[in-house]
Amino acid sequence: GAGVSQTPSNKVTEKGKYVELRCDPISGHTALYWYRQSLGQGPEFLIYFQGTGAADDSGLPNDRFFAVRPEGSVSTLKIQRTERGDSAVYLCASSLLGPPAYNEQFFGPGTRLTVL
Amino acid sequence: DAKTTQPPSMDCAEGRAANLPCNHSTISGNEYVYWYRQIHSQGPQYIIHGLKNNETNEMASLIITEDRKSSTLILPHATLRDTAVYYCIVRGNAGGTSYGKLTFGQGTILTVHP
Repeated sequence: GAGVSQTPSNKVTEKGKYVELRCDPISGHTALYWYRQSLGQGPEFLIYFQGTGAADDSGLPNDRFFAVRPEGSVSTLKIQRTERGDSAVYLCASSLLGPPAYNEQFFGPGTRLTVL
Repeated sequence: DAKTTQPPSMDCAEGRAANLPCNHSTISGNEYVYWYRQIHSQGPQYIIHGLKNNETNEMASLIITEDRKSSTLILPHATLRDTAVYYCIVRGNAGGTSYGKLTFGQGTILTVHP
């Protein structure tokens, strides 16, 4: 079956612009996660959705970052007034159920964001 | 979540067992040990997880010491396709608001050579 898909695969933007990154989770997965990964580092947690609601947004770095999942399926990560330091690979993952039962997180290939 | 320590890099010959260590001396009683790997330009991939008993699946084996302060991931017959960054993660399975996330360190770069 289809895995987690993310679009676009690459996004180049200019400093100060607004960007949206999309994640299509595996069908039926209720939990969805966003991470970002800078070069040479492990992925860093941003936000986790259980259904339509954000259950944990403690990893969002500041109020320029926002994510939605209005129908409990597709999610969009939105970044306002982009800065060069936002350049990274943004990874999305989904799992069949959220905690407390552990379910394997399936990751997408990521969106590489470059802010010039 | 408890912090983990892994060697930055390891080498292994193709066909031999790869043994990747992880220290997690501050692990608490309800925290599990998870292993993920990330092949270049791909998202991380789940390998295995365990609490205190050794675990085995089609990909690997996980050996956890009796005091649970360290563990070893074993790839029994490494292939070139196993070259990747391997992450050891400690995570609680219940309670609190932060147990949904995975906290990745910098992992171990495993290079399997012919």
